[in-house]
Amino acid sequence: QVQLQESGPGLVRSSQTLSLTCTVSGGSISSGGYYWSWIRQHPGRDLEWIGYIYHNGNTYYDPSLKSRATISVDTSKNQFSLNVRSVTVADTAVYYCARAPLGPAVWYFDLWGRGTLVTVSS
Amino acid sequence: QSALTQPPSVSGSPGQSVTISCTGASSDIGSYNRVSWYQQSPGTAPKLMIYEVSNRPSGVPDRFSGSKSGDTASLTISGLQAEDEADYFCSSYTSSSTVVVFGGGTKVTVL
Repeated sequence: QVQLQESGPGLVRSSQTLSLTCTVSGGSISSGGYYWSWIRQHPGRDLEWIGYIYHNGNTYYDPSLKSRATISVDTSKNQFSLNVRSVTVADTAVYYCARAPLGPAVWYFDLWGRGTLVTVSS
Repeated sequence: QSALTQPPSVSGSPGQSVTISCTGASSDIGSYNRVSWYQQSPGTAPKLMIYEVSNRPSGVPDRFSGSKSGDTASLTISGLQAEDEADYFCSSYTSSSTVVVFGGGTKVTVL
């Protein structure tokens, strides 16, 4: 079955760039049919959707992070990635990659990775 | 502060039913049947339990059911089992540019 796995540094210094990768196994991003998303969960449990990418490279971001976040896809590696620039301690969170079935918009997430904790140090 | 409001915790004895509420607004739950619910156990990936208000994905027990009235959605767990102890989050599509909003989560404790 399809699985998602996040990877990347667990510690990032303030003002630097956070970079994470999600590897998709058991299925192909190129086959279409899904939006590939990033979601984060802050220490207080609050979940925040960051944005998504489609296999053709089309992206959409939450306005609160749009100016700092970039999501990209590498179909040859079956991976998609997240970069968040100029991080602060407020970006400390568990970051999840997730899959959303294709539709007029993102309705729900039918598959999630286990998440990776990223701590921003001041 | 989360866009959708959930109670921090609910509890019940094995075999009982518990209901978790998720209150939003006319821009999300009130206008769209795009509510979903997720189960999150410590150290594991969140799992989709309900989508589009009341649909269960394959493999989710029929003890889990969803409903909606006005701006409030609900998840009911009937015949509570020890394995149901987890955090549960609601989510909804929203007409705002945010697209997706989440609740703050509810911890379900099986007594």
